[in-house]
Amino acid sequence: NAGVTQTPKFRVLKTGQSMTLLCAQDMNHEYMYWYRQDPGMGLRLIHYSVGEGTTAKGEVPDGYNVSRLKKQNFLLGLESAAPSQTSVYFCASSPRNQPQHFGDGTRLSIL
Amino acid sequence: GQQLNQSPQSMFIQEGEDVSMNCTSSSIFNTWLWYKQDPGEGPVLLIALYKAGELTSNGRLTAQFGITRKDSFLNISASIPSDVGIYFCAGHFAGGTSYGKLTFGQGTILTVHP
Repeated sequence: NAGVTQTPKFRVLKTGQSMTLLCAQDMNHEYMYWYRQDPGMGLRLIHYSVGEGTTAKGEVPDGYNVSRLKKQNFLLGLESAAPSQTSVYFCASSPRNQPQHFGDGTRLSIL
Repeated sequence: GQQLNQSPQSMFIQEGEDVSMNCTSSSIFNTWLWYKQDPGEGPVLLIALYKAGELTSNGRLTAQFGITRKDSFLNISASIPSDVGIYFCAGHFAGGTSYGKLTFGQGTILTVHP
């Protein structure tokens, strides 16, 4: 049972490039989330989804877009990467009203 | 938005010592969670608390949901080297439609010297 799988694990981008981070969960969870983790700031919610076809903004949504076309997948897109988006990105999923399970993160550097 | 203050920011202890860390909030929370993050990995749930006053243990770990619903603490007894990592508190804000959204503390970095 893989749980929450994030791809890629590492990526280096140039400013202005675009990319998509993929999150896949095999636990049939309703809810999925994208966070970013920066030193000394804990995890901050970017976007989340409470079901297939639905998404909503979190605490720090600017510069990111998301899609949840299938229940098991949640995609995070950066249309025009900026150095301020250098971070570690975590995906999580949960059943309704239950604790979240996290993936192992994607380390993204933007030059 | 809601904010959690987690303290201490870091701890350096000797193996065998007990550890205590806590989180406080300016708002009432209806759930408190404690996670541990090892280097290069995602956070892993340690303990979940759902009622004010609740005290829950998981091996050498004990956590409590404060009576005021604005705080929680985590204790680790008889620390061992594998306790090293970053510990996060997280909570679900009691007001509004949170849809499971968590607010995280800044983390406590624990170092254990053999």
